Parts: sequence; structure tokens; C-alpha cells
Amino acid sequence: RKEVEQDPGPFNVPEGATVAFNCTYSNSASQSFFWYRQDCRKEPKLLMSVYSSGNEDGRFTAQLNRASQYISLLIRDSKLSDSATYLCVVNVYLTGTASKLTFGTGTRLQVTL
Amino acid sequence: GAGVSQSPSNKVTEKGKDVELRCDPISGHTALYWYRQSLGQGLEFLIYFQGNSAPDKSGLPSDRFSAERTGGSVSTLTIQRTQQEDSAVYLCASSLGRRRDLTYNEQFFGPGTRLTVL
Repeated sequence: RKEVEQDPGPFNVPEGATVAFNCTYSNSASQSFFWYRQDCRKEPKLLMSVYSSGNEDGRFTAQLNRASQYISLLIRDSKLSDSATYLCVVNVYLTGTASKLTFGTGTRLQVTL
Repeated sequence: GAGVSQSPSNKVTEKGKDVELRCDPISGHTALYWYRQSLGQGLEFLIYFQGNSAPDKSGLPSDRFSAERTGGSVSTLTIQRTQQEDSAVYLCASSLGRRRDLTYNEQFFGPGTRLTVL
């Protein structure tokens, strides 16, 4: 089983739609979580950190479910500019302040007119 | 402010040559990471530095790959005797890394070096 699993998509949605992505992780010791967005042929950019209680940033909402070991990203009122690959990232703390981040392979979103 | 920078942005080399890739992290970031990404693939972790030491080298694919970091800042990734399968985008990221807090582990990426081995 992969450490971090995501549905690769693509998710094709019309502008204005609401879309949700899930990501599951296998290591129960995982302690922090992030969503990144990556545009074609560009570097990943941090979209949101995921807090235990869930958090919202404008049209984006992230949730964490530790019991079921998954995180989710909800995008409301999709825009054409939201078209990108969304990467789920899971962090496991090692000794001291060392940590290991594991990236999922990403879910591709295509928003259409 | 200045983000993570990488050089060169593109590198074309012949099979068997050595290459050196450079990463300049965000000032004050103690943690530095190297990844590579082949076309259409996910990120592959290579190595992680905390300060000048590398607690996790588990991702280096072979002994042809090495990395160092000096002065807690700039890092170089060296690939010796390059092979065609080394062709990829090599990404560097940095984070504050000093504490076990969420924001201290947020990674910021450089634009990458696109390596092509002919």
C-alpha cells in the first residue's frame, strides 16, 4: 500500500461547481498535513496547511479525519484558474526536529466553461 | 521577499558526464529538501538536510548521486556519470524546520532544474 494515495483523476467540472478530493495515508504516526497545487511544468506551491479542527481559506476548505486516516480538500465555486494538479502531503516527525514529508501523486482538476 | 532559487534552470548533458545542481533556500530556513519529478509523475524524495547534516538520504537512487550543504545555506546535488534515466526536473524546497509546528514544516519550492541527458 502506498504511504499516501490519491485518485489521479482527472476531475472535469464546469465553472462554478463544487469539487472534493480525498487523500488517504497509511502511517498513523503522521502528524501534519498539507495541500499543494502544481500547475503544468511548474513547481508545487503551498495551498493550505491542514489543521486538526479543519480550516477554510476563501473557497477552499480542508478537513482531517485521523480515525479514518484521510484528509480532504473542498473547492467551492470553481474557477478556470483552479485547473491544476492538487498534491496531498503528509508529514511524519522523526527524531528532534527532523521530519519526513511524503507527497501523493496528485489529483488533476480541469475546470471548463 | 526572495524565494528559493535554483540554478541552472535547464541543463543538457551527455551520458556519462557529471552535473552539479545548485539550490539557494529562503534565508533563515534550516531545512532543505531535494526531489525529482519525471514527466507526468509524482515527486520523488531524494534527500533532506537539517542545517548541514542529512538525517535522511534514503531517497538517493544510487551512489552516483550525492549532495552537500555548507554554511546551513546553499546546497549542491551532484550526479556523476549521468544516465538517460536521470533526465527529470530536480526540485529543491526549504522550510523553517526548527520546531514541530505546522508552519515550520511548510515547504516552499524553487522553480527547479530541468535536466536532460542525451
